Amino acid sequence: DIRMTQSPASLSASLGETVNIECLASEDIYSDLAWYQQKPGKSPQLLIYNANSLQNGVPSRFSGSGSGTQYSLKINSLQSEDVATYFCQQYNNYPLTFGSGTKLEIK
Amino acid sequence: QVQLEESGPGLMQPSETLSLTCTVSGFSLTINGVGWVRQPLGKGLVWMGTIWAGGSTNYNSAVQSRLSISRDTSKSQVFLKMNSLQPEDTGTYYCARHVRYTYYGYNSDYFDYWGQGVMVTVSS
Repeated sequence: DIRMTQSPASLSASLGETVNIECLASEDIYSDLAWYQQKPGKSPQLLIYNANSLQNGVPSRFSGSGSGTQYSLKINSLQSEDVATYFCQQYNNYPLTFGSGTKLEIK
Repeated sequence: QVQLEESGPGLMQPSETLSLTCTVSGFSLTINGVGWVRQPLGKGLVWMGTIWAGGSTNYNSAVQSRLSISRDTSKSQVFLKMNSLQPEDTGTYYCARHVRYTYYGYNSDYFDYWGQGVMVTVSS
């Protein structure tokens, strides 16, 4: 199975800041990567697919990048509604696997 | 609009068989796949399996021997059955619409709509 390692596990940032969340795959996943946002007590919501394609309706302050084994999710101008846990998911090979999550809080 | 809703018992005994139902609306099960994803309390997400538009299934090998996913397209429902439950099967179970296609050489294989989840506790 492809292992997805996310960092940091938790993150505290101020409103208006830019934050980056990293996802490292145990092998090349050729940009077959999605990012999800899970707000407290809610189900996950798709943010990004194909490593850098923004899902319809997702604010443009979210962006994804990366290739090979290294990927990142960037959130510009952090807002209070961005408090959530963020997960990456690879789909280059089955079984589909997720990262362990990054919990984002506001300072 | 696309909606998915899970239903099923909240409390199970070890060794019992779990049966969950996912009722969908806003899309057809003969056009889109539906997957099941489990989340232990306070932990990450684990894909369990998917039933595709044509009716075939893929399962995570970690649970394959205990898991069965089926559907009733006339009722827009997808079913999960997992036997020999253990306490480590405790968690929130989500169904989600599973998008899979290839476009100009790019693969897409992700979950674009999720249900609200159903919490299942396995305890004696």
